[in-house]
Amino acid sequence: AQSVTQLGSHVSVSEGALVLLRCNYSSSVPPYLFWYVQYPNQGLQLLLKYTSAATLVKGINGFEAEFKKSETSFHLTKPSAHMSDAAEYFCAVSVAAGNKLTFGGGTRVLVKP
Amino acid sequence: ETGVTQSPTHLIKTRGQQVTLRCSSQSGHNTVSWYQQALGQGPQFIFQYYREEENGRGNFPPRFSGLQFPNYSSELNVNALELDDSALYLCASSLVQGLNTEAFFGQGTRLTVV
Repeated sequence: AQSVTQLGSHVSVSEGALVLLRCNYSSSVPPYLFWYVQYPNQGLQLLLKYTSAATLVKGINGFEAEFKKSETSFHLTKPSAHMSDAAEYFCAVSVAAGNKLTFGGGTRVLVKP
Repeated sequence: ETGVTQSPTHLIKTRGQQVTLRCSSQSGHNTVSWYQQALGQGPQFIFQYYREEENGRGNFPPRFSGLQFPNYSSELNVNALELDDSALYLCASSLVQGLNTEAFFGQGTRLTVV
């Protein structure tokens, strides 16, 4: 079975500062890893995904994540936070085609002006 | 191409009642997955349908059931509603083709059980 741990349920950053959201996974087989964003009262939007190609993955809205097998991590970063980045972010893992996703508990990002 | 649409957007039901939630998958997709997202938590996988057959189920009791139709749209049915069933129910569709697939989520149905 696979699992995902997101360290920090809430993160507060200043506009223009680095955003770093942490995700660690557990999987007995090579995983597929995803980051999703959820705005209030909305569904999930895919930010980026890792599917065993390049370990540094670039996504939408300036986000990127690096897959580190030795650390079983897939942390999400953005060099400069924007007010529109305020949302909840979910890391997810899948171990087979078909995207039966296992999600972490989420990290809510607050961006201060 | 149309996205994933869910109906209704909000629903209030009484404990013990039954509810049906609907999902229209994105055009060309053959797989639908349902997730339950309780307040303040990450989504939890309920089950998945592939070509009208159940293709995996999470840790949910049998009173959670589903259907997928020939046009790949789907229903989630929950019988004997309990207060803890109050949550956002998310539908995701994907095209299962090889190992590189992506799930597209709908806006969700907010179910409140009173």
